[in-house]
Parts: sequence; structure tokens; C-alpha cells
Amino acid sequence: NAGVTQTPKFRILKIGQSMTLQCTQDMNHNYMYWYRQDPGMGLKLIYYSVGAGITDKGEVPNGYNVSRSTTEDFPLRLELAAPSQTSVYFCASSYSGREGGYTFGSGTRLTVV
Amino acid sequence: KNEVEQSPQNLTAQEGEFITINCSYSVGISALHWLQQHPGGGIVSLFMLSSGKKKHGRLIATINIQEKHSSLHITASHPRDSAVYICAVSIQGAQKLVFGQGTRLTINP
Repeated sequence: NAGVTQTPKFRILKIGQSMTLQCTQDMNHNYMYWYRQDPGMGLKLIYYSVGAGITDKGEVPNGYNVSRSTTEDFPLRLELAAPSQTSVYFCASSYSGREGGYTFGSGTRLTVV
Repeated sequence: KNEVEQSPQNLTAQEGEFITINCSYSVGISALHWLQQHPGGGIVSLFMLSSGKKKHGRLIATINIQEKHSSLHITASHPRDSAVYICAVSIQGAQKLVFGQGTRLTINP
């Protein structure tokens, strides 16, 4: 039982490049989330999904896109990387968004130069 | 003002001391979560509370819904408890968590 798996763990991008952060969970959770964590700040919600085929914006969605074609996978796409997107990204899942416990991935440290 | 406030932001203590981290929130919630993040590491869920008190080993979490306040206690603290502790709330009617800024705890031997 792997839980929530994120790849890659580290990545350096040049300004304007694009990349996809992968997130997979094997717990059959309906809800999946992408958060970013900036130094000294609480985690901010980028996008979330309540089930396959359904996605919605969080607090800081600009510059990102997501898709949820299966229950297991929730990739996060950066189209034109900017220095402001330098952050640590966490994927999380839960069975029920309101009352269920959350499981987090190990994080992706992204630097845009 | 943030919807979730933690105090203190930083806490340094000696091994064996009793530790308390506080969390106050200003919104209606369906649950409150305490999370632990080790340096350079991932985030682990410690507790999910909607009322009362929960205990796991040396960790105790309490919540007072009327006062919109929760505390995380660590008894007989140990250097391996050094981490950032994060309070987060599930907002009523919403499908997301709102996070506090975290409390950085350092336990010296």
C-alpha cells in the first residue's frame, strides 16, 4: 500500500519551460488536492478534484492546470514556468473532503530559474 | 487576519519538557487536523478531531468547538519530536483544508 506517490522529488526548470508533476494514490480516495508551500506560509490550495472527470480551482490556480481522468491519478501541469512558482508542491487525497483523514505525498521541490 | 492562527510560531525546549502548541480558528468547521512535517520531509497526519480529545502515544490533541480553539500537547518531549506542526481545518460546506502557518518545534537533548 503506497499511499500517495509524487514524482519527481526535485526539479529545476528554466523560465518558460513546462512540466507535469505526477500524483497517484492507491487508496481509492475520491478527493485529491494539490497544494503549494512557500517559506513561512501555510499551504495554499491550487486545484482539487472530488472525483474522476471533476476538477475545481483553489486559492492560487493561476499558471497551473490539472486533469482527473482516473480515480488514481491527478497530475498538475505548469505550462510556462515563472520564478513565482518556485515552491514545494504537495499532493493529497482523502476519502471524504469534509470529514475524512488526509494522506499527503512526500512533496516536489521545484525551482524556476 | 488568517482564518487559522497558530502559536507560538517557534518553540525551543529541552528534552523531557511538556509541550503545548495552540491553534485558533475563526470559521465554522467540520473537523480540525494536526499534521507533522519533518525538515525536508513529507506531511503526516497526526489527528483529526471534531470534538473532545484524542491521544496517541505521547501526543494529545484537544478541541473546544465553542471557543474555536485546539491544542496539541507532547509529553516527555524528545529530540525526534523536532518538526513543524501544522493545524488545519476542514471548513463547513467546503471541500478543502485551510492551514495555519505552522509551529517550528526544536527539542534539544
